[in-house]
Amino acid sequence: DAKTTQPNSMESNEEEPVHLPCNHSTISGTDYIHWYRQLPSQGPEYVIHGLTSNVNNRMASLAIAEDRKSSTLILHRATLRDAAVYYCILRAYQTGANNLFFGTGTRLTVIP
Amino acid sequence: EAQVTQNPRYLITVTGKKLTVTCSQNMNHEYMSWYRQDPGLGLRQIYYSMNVEVTDKGDVPEGYKVSRKEKRNFPLILESPSPNQTSLYFCASSLGRNRPSTEAFFGQGTRLTVV
Repeated sequence: DAKTTQPNSMESNEEEPVHLPCNHSTISGTDYIHWYRQLPSQGPEYVIHGLTSNVNNRMASLAIAEDRKSSTLILHRATLRDAAVYYCILRAYQTGANNLFFGTGTRLTVIP
Repeated sequence: EAQVTQNPRYLITVTGKKLTVTCSQNMNHEYMSWYRQDPGLGLRQIYYSMNVEVTDKGDVPEGYKVSRKEKRNFPLILESPSPNQTSLYFCASSLGRNRPSTEAFFGQGTRLTVV
């Protein structure tokens, strides 16, 4: 499986935008880019996913580089509830494609 | 409401006493999976199931068993628990088989302590 690299931690002020980066230089053409987050004492939660084009949903936006070797999860206005560990995960069309392989993720701290 | 339900949420048991952690989903998902989460090691997959009667090992299957007799349920069985199985366990489900574009849903977790 192609690997992802994320910063260990980031901080943001409340109500400011947050850009969480992810590098995936060995991504293949059919790999989907997924983001999950894990709030304290909870199970992981789906945030967003994309393949080639930028994606928006009610939780966040996903900006994918043109060469697909990196992506950025954008939280438009961070709230205290957004404090969590954010995981960037690649998933390919293959046997076991439903499996999620979690790395260490980025721990986001939101400062009031 | 779409959800994955795990029971119990907390469990303290003794070494060697068989236990089962239940997982149930109400979304008619084919795929279900179990993970354990440990400090410094992150989330690691124990077993997964692509459909009824189809299960396969994940990265850390030793000491665990699973079964998938019904689509909605995927219990995790520890036949002889040991202290190194003290962990936080999560069950997950998603639609379809070998589909990388689907969203996974996770349960709230089961914190297991084996003394």
